[in-house]
Amino acid sequence: DQQVKQNSPSLSVQEGRISILNCDYTNSMFDYFLWYKKYPAEGPTFLISISSIKDKNEDGRFTVFLNKSAKHLSLHIVPSQPGDSAVYFCAARKGWGGSQGNLIFGKGTKLSVKP
Amino acid sequence: SQTIHQWPATLVQPVGSPLSLECTVEGTSNPNLYWYRQAAGRGLQLLFYSVGIGQISSEVPQNLSASRPQDRQFILSSKKLLLSDSGFYLCAWRPGQGVNTIYFGEGSWLTVV
Repeated sequence: DQQVKQNSPSLSVQEGRISILNCDYTNSMFDYFLWYKKYPAEGPTFLISISSIKDKNEDGRFTVFLNKSAKHLSLHIVPSQPGDSAVYFCAARKGWGGSQGNLIFGKGTKLSVKP
Repeated sequence: SQTIHQWPATLVQPVGSPLSLECTVEGTSNPNLYWYRQAAGRGLQLLFYSVGIGQISSEVPQNLSASRPQDRQFILSSKKLLLSDSGFYLCAWRPGQGVNTIYFGEGSWLTVV
């Protein structure tokens, strides 16, 4: 049972336009969400996060939106740049309980930004 | 500042051979440590986590094991590799308390042939 779903395996966007990456989750106990960016043959790097008590968090060109009622979050990149081309992973955390803050990841979405 | 290193970066091993991937974290103490695997089409799967020396929790049944002999050292092992063990293995760490983000190492490519 996949608790964090990224239903689009790939996305292609023109440079300068907006990239929107989507993520859905099933567990209402998730209280913190993160986006990671991964280049080929490298470890993922943290990009941006949002707490469940908020509905929006912005950091430069990156904005994450959280819709708790729909159990949906999205990452907006504006404007998109060729260097943004990577695989983006959505992750969720289920509190600080027995699993000590373990993150559950989606399968990732490969973003290609074309010049 | 804190850094995480894992090695080897690339490994090609025959079926049935042993495995040892090592990870160390510097610049912090008592971190939570993790081993993830990225297999094709399956995203990042948590394999093991550790909250302290000698404390290992396994998230999925498998052919692998983990050990934490020192506070900032995390080792992923196997006695006999299977073809299905191929993948990209990632070590990660998180400060023990109060920080939500985990930080990944560079990753290790394992190909079992």
